[in-house]
Amino acid sequence: EVQVVESGGGLIQPGGSLRVSCAASGFSVSSSYMSWVRQAPGKGLEWVSVIYSGGSTFYADSVKGRFIISRDSSKNTLSLQMNSLREEDAAVYHCVKAGGSGRPVDSWGQGTLVTVSS
Amino acid sequence: EIQMTQSPSTLSASVGDRVTITCRASQSISSWLAWYQQKPGKVPKVLIYKASNLESGVPSRFSGSGSGTEFTLTISSLQPDDFAIYYCQQYITYSWTFGQGTKVEI
Repeated sequence: EVQVVESGGGLIQPGGSLRVSCAASGFSVSSSYMSWVRQAPGKGLEWVSVIYSGGSTFYADSVKGRFIISRDSSKNTLSLQMNSLREEDAAVYHCVKAGGSGRPVDSWGQGTLVTVSS
Repeated sequence: EIQMTQSPSTLSASVGDRVTITCRASQSISSWLAWYQQKPGKVPKVLIYKASNLESGVPSRFSGSGSGTEFTLTISSLQPDDFAIYYCQQYITYSWTFGQGTKVEI
């Protein structure tokens, strides 16, 4: 069964750094197209970043230069290093495995909550 | 960035009603559009992909149509379990964008 489980969220002050991770099972993170999508409390969905199987990475303008997506094939995990955090980065961060055969998503994790507040 | 605009933002309906939600893209996305349903505290669930394909396990009262820039999600007969927020999503580019959501309420 394809599954992703996020961890690492928490309370962080503005300007701080935090790393959230996603443990994958049932598939290889390195062979997949993986994204982070966030949802601020009571708000809509926002794509944050993607890493392709070939290693190319892309970011939303709102996080470019501050966030870094990466993966560890030995641990089969995906990570998002978040630096210079702002209050507007507060959200639930979901790890998402892109789908195949025309489907957008294969698996969408429950998410990890990041709170940015002084 | 491709902008996705949903209408209406809120929809009041009754059980048994036929419900239609519209999603408009700022440029052509061919058929690379998905519809999601989200309930409070839950992860978004894919209902429709590639504009008109029903995801496995989703009831047949849900249907999607459209291509290019105009898309529609229809619920043929609203059921109590369908009261939720619905989002459209374009995935023609790596930088997915979502509509702002449509809340279907009683």
